[in-house]
Amino acid sequence: KAGVTQTPRYLIKTRGQQVTLSCSPISGHRSVSWYQQTPGQGLQFLFEYFSETQRNKGNFPGRFSGRQFSNSRSEMNVSTLELGDSALYLCASSLGAAEAFFGQGTRLTVV
Amino acid sequence: LAKTTQPISMDSYEGQEVNITCSHNNIATNDYITWYQQFPSQGPRFIIQGYKTKVTNEVASLFIPADRKSSTLSLPRVSLSDTAVYYCLVGETGANNLFFGTGTRLTVIP
Repeated sequence: KAGVTQTPRYLIKTRGQQVTLSCSPISGHRSVSWYQQTPGQGLQFLFEYFSETQRNKGNFPGRFSGRQFSNSRSEMNVSTLELGDSALYLCASSLGAAEAFFGQGTRLTVV
Repeated sequence: LAKTTQPISMDSYEGQEVNITCSHNNIATNDYITWYQQFPSQGPRFIIQGYKTKVTNEVASLFIPADRKSSTLSLPRVSLSDTAVYYCLVGETGANNLFFGTGTRLTVIP
């Protein structure tokens, strides 16, 4: 079966702009989580959505937001981009079992 | 969420068994121990999960002592393709708000 798909794979944005990243979970998975990975801070949890509702939230400013659609696809939005937002953004989907399945990520570069 | 402590890095020769130990002194009763592997510019990949004693699958074994304050991931006969960062996580099974620590960077040497 198809894995978690994230689009786009690479993105370059300018400071102050906003960006939207997309994640298509594995079919049947209703939980989608987002993570930010940077060399300095490592892998950090952003938020989790389950059945279109945000279920958990990490410690990130309000510029980071997300949503989930009825087909479980999820989008993450970052407004007023800062240089420090340059990172690999990872999406993971889960069926509520032990394993979370991660996508390949979107590499965002803010210039 | 219980924090974990792992060695920052480890080196091993091909064909050897590698054991990576993780400390989690504040593990809660409902917490499971899960290990993920990550290659550069890819998402983490689940390796194994356990609650107590020993768990084995086709790629690794996980040893958990009775007090559950630590755990050891064992990789038998590593190859160059096992070079990656290995993360130990502690939390409720099925949770999708995972807390990743610093991980252990394993380098397999020919």
